[in-house]
Amino acid sequence: EDQVTQSPEALRLQEGESSSLNCSYTVSGLRGLFWYRQDPGKGPEFLFTLYSAGEEKEKERLKATLTKKESFLHITAPKPEDSATYLCAVQRTNQAGTALIFGKGTTLSVSS
Amino acid sequence: NAGVTQTPKFQVLKTGQSMTLQCAQDMNHNSMYWYRQDPGMGLRLIYYSASEGTTDKGEVPNGYNVSRLNKREFSLRLESAAPSQTSVYFCASSSGTGFGGELFFGEGSRLTVL
Repeated sequence: EDQVTQSPEALRLQEGESSSLNCSYTVSGLRGLFWYRQDPGKGPEFLFTLYSAGEEKEKERLKATLTKKESFLHITAPKPEDSATYLCAVQRTNQAGTALIFGKGTTLSVSS
Repeated sequence: NAGVTQTPKFQVLKTGQSMTLQCAQDMNHNSMYWYRQDPGMGLRLIYYSASEGTTDKGEVPNGYNVSRLNKREFSLRLESAAPSQTSVYFCASSSGTGFGGELFFGEGSRLTVL
């Protein structure tokens, strides 16, 4: 069964304290892995797409990496405005069709 | 440039009532989606439309119907609302005619069924 698991469920950091969020997946026919940010009361906002193992993408304090079984979202020197829920989604294509499978998210809180 | 616009933002229904959630996008995207988001469940696909004139069921389609009115608009209808349909509903769109991964989401419609 296709599965996307994010850990931890919640993460509290002090401003400037770097850390990583994990997204592990078991799917057949991986086409891409996507990271989203969701602020309270808002819709998810697209951040990154990763297509192959070894690929990395960066945006400000965020860097996403991909291996064959998992992806990491590294947050360097976070600020309070980085507080949000981060969602991982895996796109897969197999005989059952194409689907985008979301994880349940990691809620990040950064305090000053 | 508004992106994806959903209406209404909030709605309270009684069990058995019907309603339609409206969604419009101004990005000239081909594909549109309806998701629901529940605590501890993550985002689950209800229906999607890969192009104008086509619709397909997603993971949780029971109790819902959709209409792709034109390229811009994709509506979600609850014919007889049930408390289990209390949720936050998100409309999304993507470019291309297949099932995309880079989705643009609306701000959500919060539905409570009593």
